[in-house]
Amino acid sequence: GDSVTQMEGPVTLSEEAFLTINCTYTATGYPSLFWYVQYPGEGLQLLLKATKADDKGSNKGFEATYRKETTSFHLEKGSVQVSDSAVYFCALVLSGGSYIPTFGRGTSLIVHP
Amino acid sequence: DTGVSQDPRHKITKRGQNVTFRCDPISEHNRLYWYRQTLGQGPEFLTYFQNEAQLEKSRLLSDRFSAERPKGSFSTLEIQRTEQGDSAMYLCASSLGPGQGAEQYFGPGTRLTVT
Repeated sequence: GDSVTQMEGPVTLSEEAFLTINCTYTATGYPSLFWYVQYPGEGLQLLLKATKADDKGSNKGFEATYRKETTSFHLEKGSVQVSDSAVYFCALVLSGGSYIPTFGRGTSLIVHP
Repeated sequence: DTGVSQDPRHKITKRGQNVTFRCDPISEHNRLYWYRQTLGQGPEFLTYFQNEAQLEKSRLLSDRFSAERPKGSFSTLEIQRTEQGDSAMYLCASSLGPGQGAEQYFGPGTRLTVT
C-alpha cells in the first residue's frame, strides 16, 4: 500500500545550523507531497507542498523538491531557529479517489540556542 | 476566519463510559475529516464528510465509533464503551473541496485519556 517513511528523531541542532529531514514514499500513482508542522499544543499546519515531479515547495525558509526518480521529498532549511522546534510530518495524497492523505510518523526537531 | 476549533481540548473518562467530541470547521469548507494520533505516530485517518454525507470510514473505526455532520456544518465523534486503547489525540481537519493539492486545516485536537 501507499506509505511515507521519515527519518527517526529527535533531530537536535544548534541555532543557525543546516537542517535536513528525509522523507521517502511508496505510491501506486502520482501523488502530491506535503510537509506539515505541529508546534507543541497545536494542530498540524501546512508548511509546503509540491504537486508534480521536480516541483519545489518553499515557505518560511524551508524547501523541499519532489524527486520522482528517488521517490523522495526531503525537507531542508539553511539556518534553523529555536522557534522551528516542532514535529514535522511528511504526507502524500494520491490523485483520484477520496484524496485522503497518508502521513509519516513525524520527526521531532529540537533547536538549541 | 477563526480556524478549526475542537471541544473539549482534554477529556478524561473511565473505561466503559461514552464520550463525544465536537469539531467546528472553517465555515466555507465542505470537507471535514477525523483522525486519530497516538504518541510518536502521524495522524491516522478515521472518516470524512463531504457536506453532510459521510463518504468513507477507515477500518480503524470500529462499531463503537460514530460520527455525524448534521446540516454539513459542525461534526461530532462519539465513542461508546471506551477502552484504554482509545486513549489518543483526536484531530479534526477541514478543506475546501476535494483535490489532490487541497490543503487541510487542522484543529488543535482533543486529547482523550481512558483510565
